[in-house]
Amino acid sequence: GQQVMQIPQYQHVQEGEDFTTYCNSSTTLSNIQWYKQRPGGHPVFLIQLVKSGEVKKQKRLTFQFGEAKKNSSLHITATQTTDVGTYFCAVPTGTASKLTFGTGTRLQVTL
Amino acid sequence: SQTIHQWPATLVQPVGSPLSLECTVEGTSNPNLYWYRQAAGRGLQLLFYSVGIGQISSEVPQNLSASRPQDRQFILSSKKLLLSDSGFYLCAWSVGHENTEAFFGQGTRLTVV
Repeated sequence: GQQVMQIPQYQHVQEGEDFTTYCNSSTTLSNIQWYKQRPGGHPVFLIQLVKSGEVKKQKRLTFQFGEAKKNSSLHITATQTTDVGTYFCAVPTGTASKLTFGTGTRLQVTL
Repeated sequence: SQTIHQWPATLVQPVGSPLSLECTVEGTSNPNLYWYRQAAGRGLQLLFYSVGIGQISSEVPQNLSASRPQDRQFILSSKKLLLSDSGFYLCAWSVGHENTEAFFGQGTRLTVV
């Protein structure tokens, strides 16, 4: 079945440092989505990437889709404590818009 | 606008007891509906999905079942809970074609004791 790996599993940074999480798929993807889950909360959609090599920005967050459409990254510039949470990539599999979620990267930010 | 309601928020149940978690969606028709489970500190595992009333697909063999008695209602059930059923259960919906995001309910934290 669809395999979606994320690295790292966990990262602890000081506020102001940058953070990057990577998502790798075993197959070519039609699109990839990113979600954020705050501690104790539910996943919230951040963005969707569709085109090869696509780069999208949301304030301090930069999302990139690989040229081969098999990997993606999320980069946060100058992290803040509000960035704390787990970041998941998700890819469609099969029919019915099934989403397979990556293993997630938990980000901890301290002052 | 669309909203998704999931209840209860927390639940403590003894081993061997039944389970019924309900999820309803408002403001959309014929959504795809999903049940995910998340173990503590872990990723999201898709349990069931549905593309229409009475249509349920199971992703993993387990002690749970799902039903969709109405277009915007999705129910997760068990006849006899196991300790291993503990976790964070999330209902989600999406529009019925490939390139759309999923919208999650607030989740139910189930502890089986």
